[in-house]
Amino acid sequence: KAGVTQTPRYLIKTRGQQVTLSCSPISGHRSVSWYQQTPGQGLQFLFEYFSETQRNKGNFPGRFSGRQFSNSRSEMNVSTLELGDSALYLCASSLVPGPNQPQHFGDGTRLSIL
Amino acid sequence: AQSVSQHNHHVILSEAASLELGCNYSYGGTVNLFWYVQYPGQHLQLLLKYFSGDPLVKGIKGFEAEFIKSKFSFNLRKPSVQWSDTAEYFCAVIVSGSARQLTFGSGTQLTVLP
Repeated sequence: KAGVTQTPRYLIKTRGQQVTLSCSPISGHRSVSWYQQTPGQGLQFLFEYFSETQRNKGNFPGRFSGRQFSNSRSEMNVSTLELGDSALYLCASSLVPGPNQPQHFGDGTRLSIL
Repeated sequence: AQSVSQHNHHVILSEAASLELGCNYSYGGTVNLFWYVQYPGQHLQLLLKYFSGDPLVKGIKGFEAEFIKSKFSFNLRKPSVQWSDTAEYFCAVIVSGSARQLTFGSGTQLTVLP
């Protein structure tokens, strides 16, 4: 069974640009969550999607947005990129939402802002 | 909001030494607790989880963790570490019954010397 797939693996952008990251969950998983990982802040929750609806959102500015498609694939968009957005962005999937559902993580997309 | 503290940022051990990594959380209600591991160059993997029942939880690769509610702790243990256990370890919590938001600790880098 294929794991969570994130594309691209690496991305370099400049300040002010926007970026879209993609996540394909494990087959059959319908809940997708996004996290930002940085050396200074650690792993921080961005948002969660289920049935094409955002169910929960972390403490990030509106420049960070996402969506989920009918096949459960999810995209995350960051507009007006800032240097501080340089991070590893992780996607995690689970069968359904719920605190008892372990999440399975992808390898992440490493975003570097110049 | 809940928070998770991992006080050991970097632990260095020799092979066959015993391991205990500390994890404390701040939330007075019912929580679900997790330990994740990130081996070099790999994605986050679930090591073990606690939802309810026996507070001593056994995970993969000989790891175990004990939930002590009175101390708000969920420490990870292994009686005898191996070089292959070198990785970063993250404790995480979800408040039971809440929206789905994993809150992670800052992580502990474990280096096992051969």
